[in-house]
Amino acid sequence: DIVMTQSPDSLAVSLGERATINCQSSQTLLYSSNNKNYLGWFQQKPGQPPKLLIYWASTRESGVPDRFSGSGSGTDFTLTISSLQAEDVAVYYCHQYYSTPYSFGQGTKLEIK
Amino acid sequence: EAQLVESGGGLVQPGGSLRLSCEASGFTLSSYWMHWVRQAPGKGLVWVSHINSDESTTTYADSVKGRFTISRDNAKNTLYLQMDSLRAEDSAVYYCSRERRDSSGVRVAFDIWGQGTMVTVSS
Repeated sequence: DIVMTQSPDSLAVSLGERATINCQSSQTLLYSSNNKNYLGWFQQKPGQPPKLLIYWASTRESGVPDRFSGSGSGTDFTLTISSLQAEDVAVYYCHQYYSTPYSFGQGTKLEIK
Repeated sequence: EAQLVESGGGLVQPGGSLRLSCEASGFTLSSYWMHWVRQAPGKGLVWVSHINSDESTTTYADSVKGRFTISRDNAKNTLYLQMDSLRAEDSAVYYCSRERRDSSGVRVAFDIWGQGTMVTVSS
């Protein structure tokens, strides 16, 4: 089974500053036949379902602000929020859909400093 | 607008059963692989099960294998999760989610999620 590990567990960033969340998988998420990383990022606010932000490690979902970006390949991935806004306070999860059982990171709680 | 609405959650005693439903609107359920994901109060997301578009393939997390059964009725645009032999550790919000694929059949992401239905297993 693939284990997903996020760091840090929590993060406090000032408004307008950059926030960076890391995610490491225990096995590669890069599918060699199509060169795609099966890694997604979700944002979850209290009382709400997860919202898809990024898929294939770096492709922004339609309607997601361009301050959100994803990078990385293989086993190491990063979600970056370039300029933190108040509405970005949430828990962020990485997610591997390379192989079953699909799995999520433990979550990173992002707050305003 | 594509939407998923879960129902069927509630309070059940250990060893009991519940059937969750997930009704799709704004898209044709039969075209998509579907998943159940759960989240215990204050905890993270845990994948539970998935089913392919024609119901020929189902997969389960080890923690629910043999107790939970995923199914679908494409004519009713509805996904189900039959949960038997429930345990306290099954208490969670259960979300259904749609798996989007591209025109080549390549997995894209879990793109649509319902609001969830709460299951509480307690005596």
